[in-house]
Amino acid sequence: NAGVTQTPKFQVLKTGQSMTLQCAQDMNHNSMYWYRQDPGMGLRLIYYSASEGTTDKGEVPNGYNVSRLNKREFSLRLESAAPSQTSVYFCASLEGAGSPLHFGNGTRLTVT
Amino acid sequence: KNEVEQSPQNLTAQEGEFITINCSYSVGISALHWLQQHPGGGIVSLFMLSSGKKKHGRLIATINIQEKHSSLHITASHPRDSAVYICAVRRGSNYKLTFGKGTLLTVNP
Repeated sequence: NAGVTQTPKFQVLKTGQSMTLQCAQDMNHNSMYWYRQDPGMGLRLIYYSASEGTTDKGEVPNGYNVSRLNKREFSLRLESAAPSQTSVYFCASLEGAGSPLHFGNGTRLTVT
Repeated sequence: KNEVEQSPQNLTAQEGEFITINCSYSVGISALHWLQQHPGGGIVSLFMLSSGKKKHGRLIATINIQEKHSSLHITASHPRDSAVYICAVRRGSNYKLTFGKGTLLTVNP
C-alpha cells in the first residue's frame, strides 16, 4: 500500500520554465491538498480539492494551477516559474473530517 | 498574531528526559493534529484530537478546548525522537488546516 506518491523528488528550473508536480493516492480519499513549506513559515496551503471534480484556492495560490484528474490524482502546475517559488512542496490526502492527514514525501524545487 | 503558536521553537534534551511541546490557538476549532517531520524527510501524522487525551507508545497528546491549548508529551525520550513537531488546527467542517511553525526537538545520547 503506497499511500501518497509524489513525483519528482527534486527539480531545478530556470525562471520562466513550466512544470507539473504529480500526486497520486491509493487510499480512496476524497480530499487532496497541495502545501508549500518554507523556512520559518510553516506549511501553507496552495490549493485543495474537497472531492473529485472540485478545486479551491488556499492561502498562496498565485502562480499555480491545479487539476483533480480523477479521485486518485491531483497535480500542481507552475506555468512560469519564479525564484519565489523555490520551496518544498507536499501533497496530502484525507479520507474525511475525523481522519488523519496522509502526506507524500515532498518535492524539493529550486528556481534559478 | 498567528492563529497557531507553538512553544518552544527549539528544544534540546538528554536521552531519557520527559519532553513537553505546547500549542496554543486563537480560534474555535473542531480538531487538532500533531505531526512529526524528520530532517529532510516526509511528514507523518501522530495524533488527531478533538477532546481529552490520546496515547501511542511513549507519546501522549492532550487538548483543553476551553483554554485553546494542546500539549504533546514524549516520555523516556530517545535520539530517534529528534524531529520537527508540528501542530495544526481545523475549524468547523472546513477540511483546511492552519499549521504552526513547528518545534525542532533534538535529543542527545
